[in-house]
Amino acid sequence: GQQLNQSPQSMFIQEGEDVSMNCTSSSIFNTWLWYKQEPGEGPVLLIALYKAGELTSNGRLTAQFGITRKDSFLNISASIPSDVGIYFCAGQDSGGSNYKLTFGKGTLLTVNP
Amino acid sequence: DAGVTQSPTHLIKTRGQQVTLRCSPKSGHDTVSWYQQALGQGPQFIFQYYEEEERQRGNFPDRFSGHQFPNYSSELNVNALLLGDSALYLCASSLLPDGNTGELFFGEGSRLTVL
Repeated sequence: GQQLNQSPQSMFIQEGEDVSMNCTSSSIFNTWLWYKQEPGEGPVLLIALYKAGELTSNGRLTAQFGITRKDSFLNISASIPSDVGIYFCAGQDSGGSNYKLTFGKGTLLTVNP
Repeated sequence: DAGVTQSPTHLIKTRGQQVTLRCSPKSGHDTVSWYQQALGQGPQFIFQYYEEEERQRGNFPDRFSGHQFPNYSSELNVNALLLGDSALYLCASSLLPDGNTGELFFGEGSRLTVL
């Protein structure tokens, strides 16, 4: 089955630093998404990518859909304490009757003020 | 505008019991998906309901079943609970065609502990 490898597993950074995390897949996806989950909450969608090579920004967040359609990365610039949380990549192969998202195991981000 | 609401937020059961979790989708959404999130893991797809039918199912045993009502709300039922069923159960809603693009809105989840 499809598997997503997300790295790093965790990051501990200083406020103001830039962050980069990535996700690779054993198979092709047609959509890549990045979610953030805070304690006691469900995941919240940050960025959705629909086209190979696409680069999309949402404020200080930038994500790219890899050309091979098997990878994606997320960058956070000038981190702030409220960026703390677990970041998940998710892929969807929307061909045929497939609607499910496959999630990575997450990157735990800690920001030291 | 109410988001996705789930109940109960926390519950404790013993092995062999049965549990029912409930979900009300975001206003205007017609598609509901359920995910299981074990501690330290990403969410795993259980199934998706649309027009009161199970549209797609993940790799979960038949002990996991669901239902969608005419008002689009949904229930997840788990029978013969095992210790390994302890997890956060997330409900997510979407609106077709967005339901095909992965743009899901998640609730806060129901934390199930099986003793």
